[in-house]
Amino acid sequence: TQLLEQSPQFLSIQEGENLTVYCNSSSVFSSLQWYRQEPGEGPVLLVTVVTGGEVKKLKRLTFQFGDARKDSSLHITAAQPGDTGLYLCAGAYYGGATNKLIFGTGTLLAVQP
Amino acid sequence: DAGVTQSPTHLIKTRGQQVTLRCSPKSGHDTVSWYQQALGQGPQFIFQYYEEEERQRGNFPDRFSGHQFPNYSSELNVNALLLGDSALYLCASSLGGGRWYEQYFGPGTRLTVT
Repeated sequence: TQLLEQSPQFLSIQEGENLTVYCNSSSVFSSLQWYRQEPGEGPVLLVTVVTGGEVKKLKRLTFQFGDARKDSSLHITAAQPGDTGLYLCAGAYYGGATNKLIFGTGTLLAVQP
Repeated sequence: DAGVTQSPTHLIKTRGQQVTLRCSPKSGHDTVSWYQQALGQGPQFIFQYYEEEERQRGNFPDRFSGHQFPNYSSELNVNALLLGDSALYLCASSLGGGRWYEQYFGPGTRLTVT
């Protein structure tokens, strides 16, 4: 059973601070995604990383896929209140007839103005 | 370009009843996946439909069933509702094939079972 553990579970910070969210698994994933979900809405895809060691940047957000494709991190620089939400990582596993997208446990981020 | 739409937005049912949730995929997408999300948790995969057939299934009982129509829209049916079925039900669409995992989610249907 593939499991994705995210840490921390909750994070409350002040506007302007930096933060890192971690996503860890004992399984190897074919690719990994990060989503942000706001209350009452579905998750919105932020990025997909495919190659071990890959780093992608999206404005103030930096995503990294671990070399062994078992873990990932999301770093936010100078957080803003608009960054508030539930951050979810999701690992894609596909092997022939079996395709799965496994979601992590989530990190709830609150950025105080 | 219409995104993924779901109906209804909210639903309240009684234990033992049956419910049907509906999803229309993003324009151009042919694959629909359904997820159950408990409060404060990540979504859990229920099943995926492609070419009107169930292609993948998560660890959900047979009370959960689905259907995909020729226009790629989909329904999720849940029979004999339990209190534990209360959750946000999300539909996600994607384009079958190599990048099946790039899914776009709808806003969800909030189901409350009393």
